[in-house]
Amino acid sequence: AQTVTQSQPEMSVQEAETVTLSCTYDTSESNYYLFWYKQPPSRQMILVIRQEAYKQQNATENRFSVNFQKAAKSFSLKISDSQLGDTAMYFCAFGPSYQKVTFGTGTKLQVIP
Amino acid sequence: DVKVTQSSRYLVKRTGEKVFLECVQDMDHENMFWYRQDPGLGLRLIYFSYDVKMKEKGDIPEGYSVSREKKERFSLILESASTNQTSMYLCASSLGSNTGELFFGEGSRLTVL
Repeated sequence: AQTVTQSQPEMSVQEAETVTLSCTYDTSESNYYLFWYKQPPSRQMILVIRQEAYKQQNATENRFSVNFQKAAKSFSLKISDSQLGDTAMYFCAFGPSYQKVTFGTGTKLQVIP
Repeated sequence: DVKVTQSSRYLVKRTGEKVFLECVQDMDHENMFWYRQDPGLGLRLIYFSYDVKMKEKGDIPEGYSVSREKKERFSLILESASTNQTSMYLCASSLGSNTGELFFGEGSRLTVL
């Protein structure tokens, strides 16, 4: 069974600073996808960034980037130049296929003005 | 703009009542999902459907059933609601052959008294 672990239930960061959210996973699959989703307060969840396991290059999306360490089964999210709108729950997720995506327990990020 | 609509944002039901949670997507997606979100537990998959009239059990299907009579609509049914089903329910959809990005509704917060 796949598991996804987010060991930081809550984090805070000063506006304009950089923060890294941690995620580890466990799987015996060789091909899979990893995701970070964002759930702002009282709003719907949206995809932040996606990484294919077969790609060695780390994915980036504007201020968001990942550090994917396949051997260590680690997939951290770095948010640069944090903004107030980044305040949200962040969920790491793993998918061996598009039909079965397993989520972590989430990290609540507060951006402080 | 993609849209996943859940019929009720907030519901209050009594123990033993039958509860229907409706979800509609306008993106012609093959896959639809029902997740349950609880603090400290993240998102857990209840059921998913990869085609009309097709369904697969997720990780926590007990006490739930689903119906997908039309491609755009996926219903979650609680045959006899219990207090431990008080939760936030999230519907999501995805394309059948993409790399797994899920599009979420705004959620339905169910309270069972």
